[in-house]
Amino acid sequence: SSELTQDPAVSVALGQTVRITCQGDSLRSYYASWYQQKPGQAPVLVIYGKNNRPSGIPDRFSGSSSGNTASLTITGAQAEDEADYYCNSRDSSGNHRDVVFGGGTKLTVL
Amino acid sequence: QVQLQQWGAGLLKPSETLSLTCAVYGGSFSGYYWSWIRQPPGKGLEWIGEINHSGSTNYNPSLKSRVTISVDTSKNQFSLKLSSVTAADTAVYYCARGHVVVVPAAHGFYYYYYYMDVWGKGTTVTVSS
Repeated sequence: SSELTQDPAVSVALGQTVRITCQGDSLRSYYASWYQQKPGQAPVLVIYGKNNRPSGIPDRFSGSSSGNTASLTITGAQAEDEADYYCNSRDSSGNHRDVVFGGGTKLTVL
Repeated sequence: QVQLQQWGAGLLKPSETLSLTCAVYGGSFSGYYWSWIRQPPGKGLEWIGEINHSGSTNYNPSLKSRVTISVDTSKNQFSLKLSSVTAADTAVYYCARGHVVVVPAAHGFYYYYYYMDVWGKGTTVTVSS
């Protein structure tokens, strides 16, 4: 099955821009979705599709994709953005049966 | 607004069967993929499997031999059973609603996107003798 690879940890200074990446073969066919998870809480969808934000997600969150790499960009990171971020897609091999998650990136806002 | 409410036993002994149920409130059951995901303590998210309204299932190959996901459309509920649990199955278990979107591209190709927009609050399941 396909895998999605994320950097385990990333840090950003308050108010600066940070990019979190996700690599995998399935991303040549699928746009990644991105989830934010804070301690003790369920994941929250922040980006899906080409670059869509669910209602209530600040516009400082954006998504992009190139080849086998998807990126989540936070422009002007805030203290409340400190969290774990996961990418997600389906495995494009076979019959698109399996759902896959990246290993997660812990974002620290300094 | 769609909400998922999940419940089930939180403490199991090794070799027992984990059983969880997720109820869908405020929205249609049809047209979506209903998933179970788990998260061991301090680790990342792991997809367990999914079911659609007609009962078609997909399972994570690493868990397939022990997993059964079923649906009760009359109650807008879906359920997870995981047999022969061990300590490695200790985790927070989530239910979630999934969408698959197909986007036509140039030259007869397609792009896809998949996302889970509604999640249950999670159920902590501990396996211990």
